[in-house]
Amino acid sequence: QKEVEQNSGPLSVPEGAIASLNCTYSDRGSQSFFWYRQYSGKSPELIMFIYSNGDKEDGRFTAQLNKASQYVSLLIRDSQPSDSATYLCAVNGNRGSTLGRLYFGRGTQLTVWP
Amino acid sequence: NAGVTQTPKFRILKIGQSMTLQCAQDMNHNYMYWYRQDPGMGLKLIYYSVGAGITDKGEVPNGYNVSRSTTEDFPLRLELAAPSQTSVYFCASGNRVGETQYFGPGTRLLVL
Repeated sequence: QKEVEQNSGPLSVPEGAIASLNCTYSDRGSQSFFWYRQYSGKSPELIMFIYSNGDKEDGRFTAQLNKASQYVSLLIRDSQPSDSATYLCAVNGNRGSTLGRLYFGRGTQLTVWP
Repeated sequence: NAGVTQTPKFRILKIGQSMTLQCAQDMNHNYMYWYRQDPGMGLKLIYYSVGAGITDKGEVPNGYNVSRSTTEDFPLRLELAAPSQTSVYFCASGNRVGETQYFGPGTRLLVL
């Protein structure tokens, strides 16, 4: 059973602050890690993916991966009210019947208040 | 590109009725997936397909069936609808193993 755990939230930050979202996973063999954003009533949309240990930056978003600790995080700098959404962490299946599948955490709800 | 499309957007079913949720993608992706999402929960995989003619069960397949006769289409069939199948259903597609999945807009299903 693949497990992906996210901090339960909800997370509330003021506008302009850094929001930190965390995710741990159980399968040490996982190679691909994704962060999706989901606005209320909408479908998930990809915002970041990361494959290698370290940091990956895209605009105000930074994904951090530590495979030894089985930990992936998403930092949102200069948070805006439009960032208010649920953030889903997803991890790929690595072998056998899990290959090609993504395993999702329950999501962390983020609210950015003006 | 329309991406991933789903129909209908919303449906109310009575207990015991059947229906088919439609999903199509125009990105020539080999991999297609059906998920359900219940309030406050993550996405649970129902069925997936790695190519035309090949399907496999996910975490929660009971009460559902799928077929994949073409690369583009991946319909999900509900037989004998039950209140426990009230959920939002998302179809997704992807090009390669371990790469991004792209989601359709979802179908909201209410079983009464």
